[in-house]
Parts: sequence; C-alpha cells; structure tokens
Amino acid sequence: AQSVSQHNHHVILSEAASLELGCNYSYGGTVNLFWYVQYPGQHLQLLLKYFSGDPLVKGIKGFEAEFIKSKFSFNLRKPSVQWSDTAEYFCAVRGNNRLAFGKGNQVVVIP
Amino acid sequence: ETGVTQTPRHLVMGMTNKKSLKCEQHLGHNAMYWYKQSAKKPLELMFVYSLEERVENNSVPSRFSPECPNSSHLFLHLHTLQPEDSALYLCASSQGATGGTTRNTIYFGEGSWLTVV
Repeated sequence: AQSVSQHNHHVILSEAASLELGCNYSYGGTVNLFWYVQYPGQHLQLLLKYFSGDPLVKGIKGFEAEFIKSKFSFNLRKPSVQWSDTAEYFCAVRGNNRLAFGKGNQVVVIP
Repeated sequence: ETGVTQTPRHLVMGMTNKKSLKCEQHLGHNAMYWYKQSAKKPLELMFVYSLEERVENNSVPSRFSPECPNSSHLFLHLHTLQPEDSALYLCASSQGATGGTTRNTIYFGEGSWLTVV
C-alpha cells in the first residue's frame, strides 16, 4: 500500500512570505494526487488535484502544486501567503484504488 | 455547504453508551466513507461503501459498526467505546470507489467531534 510523507508538521511564517509544503509518496504505479485544506473549525476542502496532463496544477486561492514523477513528489506552493491561509494542509494520493493521506502541515501565518 | 452533512457535530458519550453518527450526501454519489482524524496522526480510513455494499473495512474494532441503508445515507453505530476513540469522525462521498482509472474526488463533511469519557 502507498504511504504519504509530509514534513515540517508545523510551519509559521509572516504574511507575504512564500510557502512551500512538501509531499512525497511511495507508490510506483499510476496515481491521482490531491491537496486538501482544513481551515480552523471548518471541513476538509479540496485545494487542487492532479490526474494527468500538465504537471503544474493551479488551484484555488493562488495555490499551485507541481507533480514530479521522478521524485514521487507533489509539492504545494503559494508565492505570497495571507493571514487567511492559516490552516492545516493535507496531501493525499490515490493509487491502486486506495486513497492515503499524509499527516498534514499545520500552517500559521502571522499578520 | 459541502453537500455532505454530518450529525451530530459534537457528541460526548460514556464508555457504556450506545450512540450513532449520521451522514447524508446530496451529491448523487454512489460511494461513501468513514474516516477517523486523530491529533498528529494521518487520516485513517475506516470503512468504504460502494453501491451500499461494504467494500473495505480497515481492521476497525467491532465497537464501531457501520450501516449504509441507501446510497445517500451512512451511519456509524458506536458501542462501548474507549477514551482513545475520541477523535473527529469524517464522512465523505465520491462517484465511484473502485476501478483503477476512476477519477473520483472525495468530498468531506464537516465531521463529528466525539469525546468518550
């Protein structure tokens, strides 16, 4: 079964700083890749997803992620964060009919 | 509004109680899921129902008992739980749960916070 690794569980940064969250997975077959976000007190929401095509995926709220197949990675980026980006971010990988989540990154943006 | 509604949002129960969590999806999906979200642990998949049939049960203790009476409703019956079962329980749905090329996105409910005392 595949596994998903997210490092740096807690990230604290100032507004306007750039954000990059790493996501690595272990499955060698065809994968679908997702980033979910959970704002404080809210439900998990889909931020962006990759199924095929252009490996650079644009999501909502200025987020993007790049699928690098050779590195088994799907890192999330945002060039300039806002206070409202404070949330927990989960990477998820679907392979072989199974969806696995990473442990999440708790991101705090300081005004 | 997520299209997936869970009730109750908060539940406190004793270890000898019997309670149920309810999930309803309004998205026309045919697969539903229960996940457990504990602090500092990955989301854990508990059960998967596809076309009202349980297709996955990830070694969940028998004190958790799912029920899927139709494709829009999913229950999680709770009985004699332990304090370590305290967590956020998330329901989700998607169009299609199986098939190697299924491009289904999972949509989550807001979750039910469970505290076992």
